Amino acid sequence: AQKVTQAQTEISVVEKEDVTLDCVYETRDTTYYLFWYKQPPSGELVFLIRRNSFDEQNEISGRYSWNFQKSTSSFNFTITASQVVDSAVYFCALSEDGNNRKLIWGLGTSLAVNP
Amino acid sequence: GAGVSQSPSNKVTEKGKDVELRCDPISGHTALYWYRQRLGQGLEFLIYFQGNSAPDKSGLPSDRFSAERTGESVSTLTIQRTQQEDSAVYLCASSAGQVASTIYFGEGSWLTVV
Repeated sequence: AQKVTQAQTEISVVEKEDVTLDCVYETRDTTYYLFWYKQPPSGELVFLIRRNSFDEQNEISGRYSWNFQKSTSSFNFTITASQVVDSAVYFCALSEDGNNRKLIWGLGTSLAVNP
Repeated sequence: GAGVSQSPSNKVTEKGKDVELRCDPISGHTALYWYRQRLGQGLEFLIYFQGNSAPDKSGLPSDRFSAERTGESVSTLTIQRTQQEDSAVYLCASSAGQVASTIYFGEGSWLTVV
């Protein structure tokens, strides 16, 4: 069965702390794509990253970094030196074989960064 | 346009009334998706359009829900005889349509059925 689990429902940190959002997935496919989206209070979903199953290199983009480990079926997202503007719900999603028709979504992790 | 545009941004309707939600995708995007997000929940797939192919309607929760798209342009999601459980944010997204192309979302239409 295909599934995305974001075990952390809510996380609260103080500004400048580092925070890691966990994402564990299940799939039978060997080719798949993983995504992270940010949903700020305004409601729109903002694309953050797409990673295919053949590329296990970690990625860093400014204060954001992603750790993809096929051995543990995880695609974790770390925000370094968090800021209040990072407060949002973050969703992890799985696309099997590049089929975006039915992205499989985690339930999201609500991150609150307090000043 | 620059992004996916949805209207109305907010809609309050009485139970039993019909509503129409509109989505204007990014220009050139052949794929269009509708999702529903209930309060505090993840995204629920509703329907998918790809070019002139028959839409994938497998996510529509009941026959009260329908959607149309003309060519590769605007789409309309219609909910007939609305019920309170239809209250949710309805998110539209579009993508270029190639394998695993990135999906870009609109800001959503917040529907409240009273």
